[in-house]
Amino acid sequence: DVVMTQSPLSLPVTLGQPASISCRSSQTLVNNEGNTYLSWFQQRPGQSPRRLIYKVSNRDSGVPDRFSGSGSGTDFTLKISRVEAEDVGVYYCMQATHWPPWTFGQGTKVEI
Amino acid sequence: EVQLLESGGGLVQPGGSLRLSCAASGFNFGTYWIHWVRQAPGKGLVWVSRINSDGSSTDYADFVKGRFTISRDNARNTVYLQMNSLRAEDTAMYYCARAHGVDYWGQGTLVTVSS
Repeated sequence: DVVMTQSPLSLPVTLGQPASISCRSSQTLVNNEGNTYLSWFQQRPGQSPRRLIYKVSNRDSGVPDRFSGSGSGTDFTLKISRVEAEDVGVYYCMQATHWPPWTFGQGTKVEI
Repeated sequence: EVQLLESGGGLVQPGGSLRLSCAASGFNFGTYWIHWVRQAPGKGLVWVSRINSDGSSTDYADFVKGRFTISRDNARNTVYLQMNSLRAEDTAMYYCARAHGVDYWGQGTLVTVSS
C-alpha cells in the first residue's frame, strides 16, 4: 500500500499570511499513462470533507484561488496564499493512483 | 446539485450487524463509482470500500474483508454497505463519496459499536 506522509501535522497560521502543507508518498504517484492522482481535501470543524485540488494542481469548482497545489512524483504541496479565518480545519492529501486501497495522509490541522 | 445522503448508522453491540445506505441525487448515478470512507472519533480519513458503476467490481480494505459487503441498486440511486461481525474499532463516522477521484462526499452516518 502507498503510504502518504504529511507535514507538519499542526500548523499555526496568521490571518493574511501564507501557509504550506507538504505531502510525500512512499512511491511515485505517476501512473503508466502519465497521470498523477493526488488530491487535497479540507475538513472544517464539524463538517464532511471537501475536495479542493485534484490531479496535483487542478482546483475544484468554487475553490478560492488562494489555494494552489503543486508537486510531482512523490512530493506534493498545498499552499494557501493568504490565510482567511474560514480556512481553519484539517487538510488531507489522498492518492488514487495505486488502488486499492485509496490512501490518505494523517491530516494537518490548520489553526489561527 | 450533487447530493449524497447516508443513513442507517446507530448503536450496535459487538458482533452485530448494520446496513448503511447512501442515496444519491443530482447526477447520473449509474455512471459513477462510489466509495465508503470512515473516520473514527478524532482521527483521520480511512478508505473502506468501493464499487464500480454497474456493481460488477468491488474492493475492500483488508480490515473489513469478509465482514463488510458493498452493493448498489442503480434503479434506486443507492449504494449499501452491509456490515457484519462489527467490532469496537469499527466505531466511526461513515461517509460515502463519489467517483474514482472522491470528489463529492455525503454528510456521514455515525456507527457506534459498544456493549
